[in-house]
Order: sequence, then structure tokens, then C-alpha cells
Amino acid sequence: RKEVEQDPGPFNVPEGATVAFNCTYSNSASQSFFWYRQDCRKEPKLLMSVYSSGNEDGRFTAQLNRASQYISLLIRDSKLSDSATYLCVVNIINFGNEKLTFGTGTRLTIIP
Amino acid sequence: SAVISQKPSRDICQRGTSLTIQCQVDSQVTMMFWYRQQPGQSLTLIATANQGSEATYESGFVIDKFPISRPNLTFSTLTVSNMSPEDSSIYLCSANGLAGGADTQYFGPGTRLTVL
Repeated sequence: RKEVEQDPGPFNVPEGATVAFNCTYSNSASQSFFWYRQDCRKEPKLLMSVYSSGNEDGRFTAQLNRASQYISLLIRDSKLSDSATYLCVVNIINFGNEKLTFGTGTRLTIIP
Repeated sequence: SAVISQKPSRDICQRGTSLTIQCQVDSQVTMMFWYRQQPGQSLTLIATANQGSEATYESGFVIDKFPISRPNLTFSTLTVSNMSPEDSSIYLCSANGLAGGADTQYFGPGTRLTVL
């Protein structure tokens, strides 16, 4: 089983629609959770951290369910500029050493 | 936020040669990392670059193949040694910085390596 699993997509959705991505992780010792965005031929960039209480940043909402080891990202009113690959990322800190583990990413294309 | 630069941005190399990739961060950071991203795949951590000591390698990666240096808190190098076509990949440097009180990991633009 992969440490971080995502639906690879692709998701092709019309502009203005709402889209949701899911992610599961296998290591219950995971301590921090993130969504990164990676544009084609670019480096990953942090989109948002994910907190247990859930958090929102404009059109983006992230949720974490520690009991189910499940993370989600919701994008409302999608824009053409949202087209990218979204990476679910889990951070484990062990004896002071931290390690980010990346999912394979979910590819999103917003259609005009 | 931390700004990270990498050199070279891309290279085409012959089998059996070695390439050293440089990573420069514009501020002092605690942690620096090297990742590999093969076509269509996600990022795989190669090693953590430790300042003043040997790098910590992940399973499947060894120092002889991927020697790493980190002479100070803002600079690191990764060498891909005795290259084969299977080493063709994007190599990304990453650094852990402090932004808004939370640790945030930033990435360099990557080095696209093609081995013939």
C-alpha cells in the first residue's frame, strides 16, 4: 500500500464548478498535512496546510480526518488558472527528523 | 518565504559521466532536501542534506551514487554519479523555512536531467 494515495484523475471540470479531491495516508504517526500545487514543468508550491479543524482560504477548503486518515481539498467556483496537479503531502517527524511524503498527484483541468 | 535557485536548470549527459547540481537558498534554513521526480510520477525523497555532517539517505539511495554536500546553511550540492538513462529525471532541491510561525517547505525550480 502506498503511504499517500490519491486519485490521479484527470479531472476535467467546467469553469465555475466545484471539485473535490481526496487523499488517504497509511502512517498514523503523520503529524502535518498539506496540499501542494504543481503546474506543468514547474516546482511544487504550497497551496495550504490542512488542520484537524478544517481550514479555508478563499475558494479552497481543506479537511482532515485523523481517525480515517483522510484528507480532502474542495475548490469552489473553479477558475481556468486552477488547472494544475494537486499533490497531497504528509509530514512525519521522527526523532527530530522530518520527511515529506508526496502522493502521486491529482491532475485537474478547468474547461472554459 | 525562501527563494531557492538551482543550477543547471537542465542538462543532457552521456552515460557514465557525473553531474553536480547546485542549490542556493536566499536565507539560512535548518533543513535542506533533495528529491527526484520521474516523468509522470510524484516526488521521491533522495536524502536530507545535513550541514556539517553526512547526508541522511532514504531507502534505495546511496552515497556513492548520490553524494551530497552542505557546507553551510544556504547551499547544497547533489551529484548524480556514473549516470545511466534510468537517472533521467527532474531533481529538486527543497528547504524548510519558517513562515508565519509554521514550518513551510519550499522547492527550487528543479534540474531536468536527460542521460543518453
